[in-house]
Amino acid sequence: KAGVTQTPRYLIKTRGQQVTLSCSPISGHRSVSWYQQTPGQGLQFLFEYFSETQRNKGNFPGRFSGRQFSNSRSEMNVSTLELGDSALYLCASRDDPRAHRNFGPGTRLTVT
Amino acid sequence: TQLLEQSPQFLSIQEGENLTVYCNSSSVFSSLQWYRQEPGEGPVLLVTVVTGGEVKKLKRLTFQFGDARKDSSLHITAAQPGDTGLYLCAGVGGSGAGSYQLTFGKGTKLSVIP
Repeated sequence: KAGVTQTPRYLIKTRGQQVTLSCSPISGHRSVSWYQQTPGQGLQFLFEYFSETQRNKGNFPGRFSGRQFSNSRSEMNVSTLELGDSALYLCASRDDPRAHRNFGPGTRLTVT
Repeated sequence: TQLLEQSPQFLSIQEGENLTVYCNSSSVFSSLQWYRQEPGEGPVLLVTVVTGGEVKKLKRLTFQFGDARKDSSLHITAAQPGDTGLYLCAGVGGSGAGSYQLTFGKGTKLSVIP
């Protein structure tokens, strides 16, 4: 099976803009989670979707949103970008809430 | 807010040396996972420890879960350059978190010099 894919891999945006990141899970996996990774804070949970429904949400402002489509692909959106949003955004998929997560390679977002 | 403290943050050692990475918390977790992440890639699961006091071995890597399920350690014997990477511990389902949710430590960046 192909692994989790994320597009784009690298992105440079200007403060105040908005951005959409995409994640394609492993075939058959219905759960997709998103994480933000920074050197200072490490990996922090953003949200998790299962069968198009948001099941859990981390402590991030409302500028961070996501959705999942019927084919399990997921997108996350960040509006009104701030310099502090510069990070590696990781997506992970699994086929069951008890299964381990399979991470994608991430999207490196730089906000200038 | 539950925290997982990893130490040390950075570790640079010579090939062939042994090392231990620690992961500590005041929270109890149902299980604990260790990941390794290489530059430009996402974390890859190495092991899950579930039972307090459990010890698991993966070739030269030994993982231990504390008796109280609040802490864990990773010991690498005779480190090799291929062990270089960021090692992350993650607690599963801690107090206040949803079932099966992960709480990550900030990681230990290991460099093994040939």
